[in-house]
Amino acid sequence: EDKVVQSPLSLVVHEGDTVTLNCSYEVTNFRSLLWYKQEKKAPTFLFMLTSSGIEKKSGRLSSILDKKELFSILNITATQTGDSAVYLCAAAAGNKLTFGGGTRVLVKP
Amino acid sequence: DAGVIQSPRHEVTEMGQEVTLRCKPISGHDYLFWYRQTMMRGLELLIYFNNNVPIDDSGMPEDRFSAKMPNASFSTLKIQPSEPRDSAVYFCASSFKTGQDNEQFFGPGTRLTVL
Repeated sequence: EDKVVQSPLSLVVHEGDTVTLNCSYEVTNFRSLLWYKQEKKAPTFLFMLTSSGIEKKSGRLSSILDKKELFSILNITATQTGDSAVYLCAAAAGNKLTFGGGTRVLVKP
Repeated sequence: DAGVIQSPRHEVTEMGQEVTLRCKPISGHDYLFWYRQTMMRGLELLIYFNNNVPIDDSGMPEDRFSAKMPNASFSTLKIQPSEPRDSAVYFCASSFKTGQDNEQFFGPGTRLTVL
C-alpha cells in the first residue's frame, strides 16, 4: 500500500524563523512529489518535483527531492504570519496522488 | 476561469438520508478526482475519472458511495444512505493531463455533517 508520512505533525515558530518540513514516501511507480498549502479552504499547489537534487524555489519557499532516500523537504525562510497553514505533500503514481497527513505550521508575530 | 466549482458548500443531513455532492471541473481538464478529508485519515482519494470514465474507484469506502460523470463538465458523488461517520469535507479536483503534469486544482470543498 502506498504511504506518505510527514513530520513534524505541527510546529510553532516566530516571524522571521526558518522552518523545515519533511515528507517521506513509499509509492509504487512513483512519478513526482507535490507540495500543497492548505489554509482554511482547499489545498493550493506550491511545487512539483520530479528530479532528485534539483531545488525548486518560489520566493521564501524552496523544496528538494531525494529519490534515492525517498524523501522531500520544504523550507520556508523568514516566516510570516501568512505562512500559517497546513502543508501537505503528495506522491504521484500514475494519475493518483497519495497525500501525507500534513504538517500544521503556526507562525506567531 | 472560475476554477473548480463545488456545491453545496455545506450540507447538514440526518442519518439515512441521501446526499448528492456536485462538481464542475475546470474547462478542458481531462481528469476529475473526488477526495474526502477528515482529521483522522487526512486527505483520501475516493475515485477518479479520465474523459468521463471512472478509472479507479478503489478508494470508495463502501457500496453506499457512488460517483458519476455524465459529461466533461459535471460530476456527482452520492451517498445513500448517509451515516454519521461520513461527516467530512469532500473535495473535487481536476487536472489537465497525465504525463509529468500531476498538478491538481482543488475546489472549495463541501463540508458534510451527518447527524
